[in-house]
Formats: sequence, C-alpha cells, structure tokens
Amino acid sequence: KQEVTQIPAALSVPEGENLVLNCSFTDSAIYNLQWFRQDPGKGLTSLLLIQSSQREQTSGRLNASLDKSSGRSTLYIAASQPGDSATYLCAVKGATGRRALTFGSGTRLQVQP
Amino acid sequence: EAQVTQNPRYLITVTGKKLTVTCSQNMNHEYMSWYRQDPGLGLRQIYYSMNVEVTDKGDVPEGYKVSRKEKRNFPLILESPSPNQTSLYFCASSLSRLLTGELFFGEGSRLTVL
Repeated sequence: KQEVTQIPAALSVPEGENLVLNCSFTDSAIYNLQWFRQDPGKGLTSLLLIQSSQREQTSGRLNASLDKSSGRSTLYIAASQPGDSATYLCAVKGATGRRALTFGSGTRLQVQP
Repeated sequence: EAQVTQNPRYLITVTGKKLTVTCSQNMNHEYMSWYRQDPGLGLRQIYYSMNVEVTDKGDVPEGYKVSRKEKRNFPLILESPSPNQTSLYFCASSLSRLLTGELFFGEGSRLTVL
C-alpha cells in the first residue's frame, strides 16, 4: 500500500529565504505526482503536476522535482513571501488500479515578514 | 471561470437527519470524487465516479451514498448522519476518467453532526 510522507511537518522562515519541502513515497510505480497548496479552512489549489516521465516542473517561483526511482519529490520555493504561508501537500497517483490520489499529511509553512 | 462548486459550505445538523452536499463542475470533466479531511488522518477518498452512472467506493465509503446522473453533478448523500461524520468534505474533478491529469478541488463543506 502506497504511503506518502512529508517532512518537515511545520516550517517557519523569514521572508526572502529560499526553501525546500520534501515528499517521499514508498511505491515507485506512480503515474504522476501533484503538489497542492491549502489555506486554512479552504480547498486545495493545484500548484504543479509532474508526470512520471518528467524530472521537474516550474511555475513562477516554484520548482518541483521528481526522482521516481528513489521515491522522492521536492518543492523549491524561491524568495519566500508572507503570502506563501499555507499548508503544502503532495499526492501521488499510482500507475495501476486505484482511481485516487494518495496524500501526504502536509508541511505547514509560515513565512515571517 | 473554471471551478468546482460545493454547497452548503457550512452545515450543522443532528444525528439521523438526512442531508445532501451538492457538487458541480463546469469543466466537462469525466472524473469526480469526494474526500474527507480529518486532523491526523489527512485526506481520504469516500467515493469516485469515472463517468455518468459509473461510481465506485473509495477508502471510507461507509455511511455515504453518491450518484452521477449528469456529467457535471456528483452529490454526496448522508442518509443517517452520525457524529463520526463530522468533517471537512471536498469534491474534486479531473478531465480524464483515469485520473491521469490534474485534480481540481472545491472550496470544501464543513459538516458538524450533533
């Protein structure tokens, strides 16, 4: 059974820092991996989708990488801003079977002004 | 604007009183799904649908029903709600019925069962 782990669970940084959020998964047979952002009491907003054949995806100050063989993904946020404060979740879609994403428990990010 | 819309956003009800949470998407997506989010347990799938009249159980389907009579709508039905169904519920949709692309979420419906 696929398990997704995100470390750290919480992170507090001063504004302007570059930071890395980690996601690991136990079964490397994935179809894709998606990073989401969730603000308190709100829905999930899709940030980046990486297909299993890709190594990375970029959107603005965000860059996500995928190393399928080692079961790892990282989300890099450049020049962090207070508006980046939120919970970041990664989720994987398995290569076969299950029509669902398996989610990590998230990293709660606080960017201090 | 492309979106997934859920209603109601907030609901307080009592044990046993049937309720329906509606979900509608305007993106012509084939795949739709319901998740619940609980502290310490994360997001868990309740039911999903790959197309009209095609639904299947997720990880935690007990106590819930769904239907997919139209492509855009996927209501979640709690026939006899119980306090352990107090949770934050999310509807989500994706273009491909095989869930090979992005998954888009609604804003969530916070349900309290007394």
